[in-house]
Amino acid sequence: NAGVTQTPKFQVLKTGQSMTLQCAQDMNHNSMYWYRQDPGMGLRLIYYSASEGTTDKGEVPNGYNVSRLNKREFSLRLESAAPSQTSVYFCASIGSQETQYFGPGTRLLVL
Amino acid sequence: RKEVEQDPGPFNVPEGATVAFNCTYSNSASQSFFWYRQDCRKEPKLLMSVYSSGNEDGRFTAQLNRASQYISLLIRDSKLSDSATYLCVVNLSNTGKLIFGQGTTLQVKP
Repeated sequence: NAGVTQTPKFQVLKTGQSMTLQCAQDMNHNSMYWYRQDPGMGLRLIYYSASEGTTDKGEVPNGYNVSRLNKREFSLRLESAAPSQTSVYFCASIGSQETQYFGPGTRLLVL
Repeated sequence: RKEVEQDPGPFNVPEGATVAFNCTYSNSASQSFFWYRQDCRKEPKLLMSVYSSGNEDGRFTAQLNRASQYISLLIRDSKLSDSATYLCVVNLSNTGKLIFGQGTTLQVKP
């Protein structure tokens, strides 16, 4: 099992550009999550998907959209990137006993 | 007030020391609790769940005090490899939405 995979690992964008962060899990988990992590702020939930076909906003959804393409894949889209979106983005899925498994992260720099 | 609060540290301790971290949570309806470990520039990984009766895993002991709404993590006989950030995590209502504290940084020195 690869667990949770994310692409790309690193990305540099200019203000106003768009991009999609990809996430996939091969553990047959129903729930998937997108977080961002900034220095001194901890992990903040952007969006989550409790099951295929459903998505809900988290704590900081503004400027982002998500798609739960199927049970395996949950993508995060930045339509018009802003410097405030410079961060490390983690995707996660949740298994039994509420354990969250995280992907390796995407480091995004918006200039 | 943040939903989950931790002292960010850093805690600098010598090898072999015992160190304890506390974490407080604001929502009394919180149902389940965890400690995650995060190494520099890596993803968080589950260290241990925290049960009402307390639980121990080798050198690590986690305790929950529901009345005072805090969770603790005790690390005995610290190793250099314990250097990391420890994240306190709370599940509010079995929704699967986990709330993370900002983390406590531990540096174990030789």
